[in-house]
Amino acid sequence: SQTIHQWPATLVQPVGSPLSLECTVEGTSNPNLYWYRQAAGRGLQLLFYSVGIGQISSEVPQNLSASRPQDRQFILSSKKLLLSDSGFYLCAWSFQTYGYTFGSGTRLTVV
Amino acid sequence: GQQVMQIPQYQHVQEGEDFTTYCNSSTTLSNIQWYKQRPGGHPVFLIQLVKSGEVKKQKRLTFQFGEAKKNSSLHITATQTTDVGTYFCAGPGEVTGGGNKLTFGTGTQLKVEL
Repeated sequence: SQTIHQWPATLVQPVGSPLSLECTVEGTSNPNLYWYRQAAGRGLQLLFYSVGIGQISSEVPQNLSASRPQDRQFILSSKKLLLSDSGFYLCAWSFQTYGYTFGSGTRLTVV
Repeated sequence: GQQVMQIPQYQHVQEGEDFTTYCNSSTTLSNIQWYKQRPGGHPVFLIQLVKSGEVKKQKRLTFQFGEAKKNSSLHITATQTTDVGTYFCAGPGEVTGGGNKLTFGTGTQLKVEL
């Protein structure tokens, strides 16, 4: 069966520090991968998606970036965090046009 | 760009009452998906509707896709405390190279009181 792992679960980072969130999928090949962000009590905002290794599409201009160095690995990064980067970051995978499976998420607080 | 709105934003019900959330898209959708997010948790896929006018049931949950494929609804009969959470609808924005980029609705937060 397919599983998705996302870590860490919570993170408190100072303003200006770098960020690296990792997401890995097991049990499937060539999944579509996504990074979403959810502000407290709000909806889901698509940040990046990838349909293959090295293929990244950005949805929202910001100081975040994403990479897909391996088929089942998706990384979200920032060189310098802003207060506005705080939120709940969710990684997800899907196969073709079927429903998403989300990871358990990372709650990021920038202080 | 594509917008997906849901109403109501919040709903408080007594346990045993029914609940309905409505989803409206600014564009015609090839399919509509529904997700549930428990407090403190991550969204979990519930169902996908593809056909115009389609109705699907999962126990006490009834999902409907509008005839014009621009709206959808989720109805819960006789709510229970386990139904607490936020319900999101989502529609595909575009399919690019096999991708399935979803636009999520604004969500309806359901609270169930004993």
